[in-house]
Amino acid sequence: AQRVTQPEKLLSVFKGAPVELKCNYSYSGSPELFWYVQYSRQRLQLLLRHISRESIKGFTADLNKGETSFHLKKPFAQEEDSAMYYCALAGGTSYGKLTFGQGTILTVHP
Amino acid sequence: GAVVSQHPSWVICKSGTSVKIECRSLDFQATTMFWYRQFPKQSLMLMATSNEGSKATYEQGVEKDKFLINHASLTLSTLTVTSAHPEDSSFYICSARVTGGGPQHFGDGTRLSIL
Repeated sequence: AQRVTQPEKLLSVFKGAPVELKCNYSYSGSPELFWYVQYSRQRLQLLLRHISRESIKGFTADLNKGETSFHLKKPFAQEEDSAMYYCALAGGTSYGKLTFGQGTILTVHP
Repeated sequence: GAVVSQHPSWVICKSGTSVKIECRSLDFQATTMFWYRQFPKQSLMLMATSNEGSKATYEQGVEKDKFLINHASLTLSTLTVTSAHPEDSSFYICSARVTGGGPQHFGDGTRLSIL
């Protein structure tokens, strides 16, 4: 079975501070990991996928297979980063079926 | 690119009514679409995987006769909530995956309220 855990339901930081949203997963094979973001009153959007190894809006995430983690990081948070963030895992088969974590609400204070 | 349109965005209807929700991929073809349910302040829960031209695959605990899924073309999947009751009230979200692979792209969701 595959499982995604986001231990923090709420995370508050001040503008300019570093931010890290934690994500741990459980999966027996080689997973594909994603971060999705949902801004207020908007649809869920793809932020990052681990195979792309890119930085989007200043966010990065590294897959750590030893720790089974895929934490999302940004060195200097901005107010517009305030949103709900979901970590998601796609197993090897099943047509890319996603398992979502519970989500973390990030609030960046001015 | 990769826009998914979901319609309607909000529907209110009486108990016992059947409600159809459409999910369309506007600028790409999607062999596979997914239907999720989201309760307030909770995460997305996958209900079923919709495959073009074949039967949908339902997750454990999801009643296939209650939630009918049809994926008749590469750009359209529909979810019909049959004989809806107040406990079916929820936020339903669809997503579509580009044929050949890639990430899922999500619709805006449909808020269903059953009176």
